[in-house]
Parts: sequence; C-alpha cells; structure tokens
Amino acid sequence: AQTVTQSQPEMSVQEAETVTLSCTYDTSESDYYLFWYKQPPSRQMILVIRQEAYKQQNATENRFSVNFQKAAKSFSLKISDSQLGDAAMYFCAYRSAQGGSEKLVFGKGTKLTVNP
Amino acid sequence: GAGVSQSPRYKVAKRGQDVALRCDPISGHVSLFWYQQALGQGPEFLTYFQNEAQLDKSGLPSDRFFAERPEGSVSTLKIQRTQQEDSAVYLCASSLAEMNTEAFFGQGTRLTVV
Repeated sequence: AQTVTQSQPEMSVQEAETVTLSCTYDTSESDYYLFWYKQPPSRQMILVIRQEAYKQQNATENRFSVNFQKAAKSFSLKISDSQLGDAAMYFCAYRSAQGGSEKLVFGKGTKLTVNP
Repeated sequence: GAGVSQSPRYKVAKRGQDVALRCDPISGHVSLFWYQQALGQGPEFLTYFQNEAQLDKSGLPSDRFFAERPEGSVSTLKIQRTQQEDSAVYLCASSLAEMNTEAFFGQGTRLTVV
C-alpha cells in the first residue's frame, strides 16, 4: 500500500519570504500522480499543484513550484513571495495511475502560518 | 451548482443514533469519493463510485457505514448506531471519468457524536 509522509506538522514564514514544505512517499508503482492541496479553515480542499510521475520537469503554478525527486520519492512544495492568504493546512497526496484506483492517499498535513 | 455541495455542514448526533450525510457533486462528474478526516489528520479514503456503481468500498471502517448513489448523481453516506470514534469531518469529492483530471472537494460535514 502507498503511504505519504509529511514530517513537518507546522511551519511559519514571513510575508514575502519563501518557504518549502516537505513530503515523501512510498510506492512500488512507476506511474502515478502527486498533488499538493490547501485546506483553509473553511475545510474545502483546494488543489494547489500536481505532478505526473512520468514528467521529469517540475510543475509550476505562479508562486507555487515543486521539487520532484522520483528516485528519492520526494515531492516538496515551494511557496515564493508568501502572502497572508497562503496560511492554511497543506496536504501532500498520491494517486495511482492504474485504472480503478483513483483514490487519493494523503499525508497528515503541515500547518503553515504566515507572519505579517 | 458550481461546486460540490454537502449537507448538513454540521451534525451533532447522540451515540447510537443513525445519520445520513448528503453529497451533491458537480453536474456531469462521473466519479464520486467519500473521505473521513479526523481532527488533526489528513483525509482517509472511504469509498468510490463511478456513476451508480460502487467500485471501491475498502475504506469503510465497519458495516455500520453504508454509501449509495442510486441515480449516479447525489450520494448519501449513512452511519448507523454512531459511536464517538465516528466524530470527524466527512469530505466528498467528484471528478470527470478520465484519470488525469482534478478532484473537486466539498466543504465537508463535521459530525460530532456525543
């Protein structure tokens, strides 16, 4: 079974600075998807960024980028120019690319605080 | 509607009571998922539907948990004889059928069993 580990329960960053959230995962599969979700106090999970395992290029979405290291099974999220609205829980998630296995496997999350 | 809608937002149940949680997915979304999120934890998979077919229910913690999606749209998660350990946020998500598509989440139902 796949597992996702987020080793940082809490992180903090100054507004306008850069922060990196860590995520490692364990799988025997070669093809899969990785995601970072943001969960504000409203509880709604919002997709921040995703990465297909077959792509070597790291995904980027505006201020959000990932460092995907397939051999090391590492998938960190970098938030540049942090804003107060970035404060939330961040979850790393894994999904198999095999048909019939569309469920997401989540880590325990990292609480990000942004200080003004 | 524009997004995934869940109701009620909050539910307080006495131990032993039955509850029903509703999920209204995005129109046209074939896949529907239920997750359970305990306090301070990440969501954990409960069950998955493709249209009205329940293709995976491996995450349901006991036979007190039952989910249905009879017409392939709205889904209901039912918990019978609720226990304190059932207290959690129940999240519903929906997506299109293709593998490489985003799952959209609702705001969840917070269930508290007293």
